[in-house]
Amino acid sequence: GESVGLHLPTLSVQEGDNSIINCAYSNSASDYFIWYKQESGKGPQFIIDIRSNMDKRQGQRVTVLLNKTVKHLSLQIAATQPGDSAVYFCAENYKGPSGGSNYKLTFGKGTLLTVNP
Amino acid sequence: ETGVTQTPRHLVMGMTNKKSLKCEQHLGHNAMYWYKQSAKKPLELMFVYSLEERVENNSVPSRFSPECPNSSHLFLHLHTLQPEDSALYLCASSQEDRNTEAFFGQGTRLTVV
Repeated sequence: GESVGLHLPTLSVQEGDNSIINCAYSNSASDYFIWYKQESGKGPQFIIDIRSNMDKRQGQRVTVLLNKTVKHLSLQIAATQPGDSAVYFCAENYKGPSGGSNYKLTFGKGTLLTVNP
Repeated sequence: ETGVTQTPRHLVMGMTNKKSLKCEQHLGHNAMYWYKQSAKKPLELMFVYSLEERVENNSVPSRFSPECPNSSHLFLHLHTLQPEDSALYLCASSQEDRNTEAFFGQGTRLTVV
């Protein structure tokens, strides 16, 4: 029978353009958000994070925007380079239902970014 | 180099085999995690260990058995796996009480034949 799987969202940009990758998160109690980059054959690498008391944070060539009202997170990459080609994941972190110190990091399905030279 | 090392990088095993995946972190973290990454699926959290105690088990089949002998080492013991268990298995660690990012290893690419 036919197998049904998630189709990974894709974004294709020209080298030098700016890229914007979007993510909708699920839990309004999440208080910490992370963007990871995963290149082929490697594990996810931390790019940038943001806490829920902020709505914007900038790093080197990257900016993360957080809109808690609509539970939306975005990653902006300035002057995209071929080396930026990868799958980008957002992740949300929140304490379990019983509180305490146990955080649970949950990932979105990822976006494949392809940079054309 | 993220400070989290996984071995082996690649593993092919038959359905009747027993094998183990190993993870070691050199970051002084107090929490370690196993994730499964299948094609076209989000990263799935399998197990969480905090201070060497298992605090999360996301309905993972018993053919996967984790072990955390100390805060630096994490194992995933595999027994009588199915072909659909073929995936990239990722280990991560974090300093849980600080609510900071998790650091990932390079993963073990597992193929069950």
